[in-house]
Parts: sequence; C-alpha cells; structure tokens
Amino acid sequence: EAQVTQNPRYLITVTGKKLTVTCSQNMNHEYMSWYRQDPGLGLRQIYYSMNVEVTDKGDVPEGYKVSRKEKRNFPLILESPSPNQTSLYFCASSLTVLSYEQYFGPGTRLTVT
Amino acid sequence: ELKVEQNPLFLSMQEGKNYTIYCNYSTTSDRLYWYRQDPGKSLESLFVLLSNGAVKQEGRLMASLDTKARLSTLHITAAVHDLSATYFCAVGSGSQGNLIFGKGTKLSVKP
Repeated sequence: EAQVTQNPRYLITVTGKKLTVTCSQNMNHEYMSWYRQDPGLGLRQIYYSMNVEVTDKGDVPEGYKVSRKEKRNFPLILESPSPNQTSLYFCASSLTVLSYEQYFGPGTRLTVT
Repeated sequence: ELKVEQNPLFLSMQEGKNYTIYCNYSTTSDRLYWYRQDPGKSLESLFVLLSNGAVKQEGRLMASLDTKARLSTLHITAAVHDLSATYFCAVGSGSQGNLIFGKGTKLSVKP
C-alpha cells in the first residue's frame, strides 16, 4: 500500500532534549516536505527536499534540521526543542514538486514542556 | 512575499445548497492545490491546478483557477453532510518547492 509513515505519532518531551521525528514513503517520490499545523495559523512549511541530498528552507525553519540521505526517508530533527515547537507535524511527499498531488503522513503531535 | 488568503474561514451550510470558497494569492504562481482535512485526521489532496482557466471537478466539488486575478475558487454543489471538513488551498511558485497554505475554511453542512 502506497503510504507516508511518521514516527512517533505522539511525543511529550522536555525543553532542550534532542528528538527526531522520522518520515518514510514507499512511492519512490522525489519531493518531500515537513509542515507544522497550529490553531489559527493553518499549515506552515518547515523544510522541503526536491531530491536526495537537496533540502531547502520553508517559511518556518528556525529550530529545525532535516536530512535526505535516501530517497524514502526525510527525518525532522529538533536539536533543542522549546515549548513554541509544540504543534502537530505532518510529513508529505509527491512524485515531483511541480505537478503532482502530495500524500500526507498521519501526523505527529508533539508537546514540549 | 507570497501571501494566501482564504475566505470565508468558517462556513455553515444547509444540505442541498451551493456555495463557493475563495482563495486569493498575492504574487504570480503556476501551481495551486486544494486539500481536505477531516477533524483529527491528516490532509487529503483534492485538486491540482496548473494553468490559467484550469477547471477540475470531482463529485460535488469543482475547483477553478484564474491566474490573472490570482484567484482560485472551490465550488460546492448541493452540499451533503459528508462534505463537512476543513478545506485548504496552497500555492506554489516556480520550480522551487516552497508551498504557502491558506488558513483553511471550516465547512459545516447541516441537514
């Protein structure tokens, strides 16, 4: 089954404790992206990747890192999480950036205390 | 800087009625997307619009794009309760992967 998976689905952590949210897709998609969703603010793009080893900042990259060493995986790293990073995070992928629909993962709800 | 505005943000409709959601954006774009999100769920792609005058339809939903007016519409025909969800438009630009979302329109269809 074609899908985007994220882990963990729920995470409660403390300020400053490094964490990684994994994202994996099995569709051989070139384009992958991370978003955060906050009430009243909609979805905002954090980072995206056009292909392996090619990543770029979205609108809200501060406090986040990403890497794209393999086509299928696009982990989101929070080196020193802060409470303002408490949010619902979605990973998404599409065949290419230009024309195709995005497939979204199920989301990761992160709480930083 | 690309800005995307959706309106209305909240929409309560009666079953059987028609309505339109609007998505305005501030700078030239060649890609516009519509998504649906059910409460507590992830997002699902509805439409991808790539050129001026593009129109796509699926079921009771029809999306159109006017790049000159920088406007996309999502038209709902004869609404049914199953269409209750939040609808987002998102706009991309050029070959870059940056995507800007509107704040979403929460649609509630009542019997």
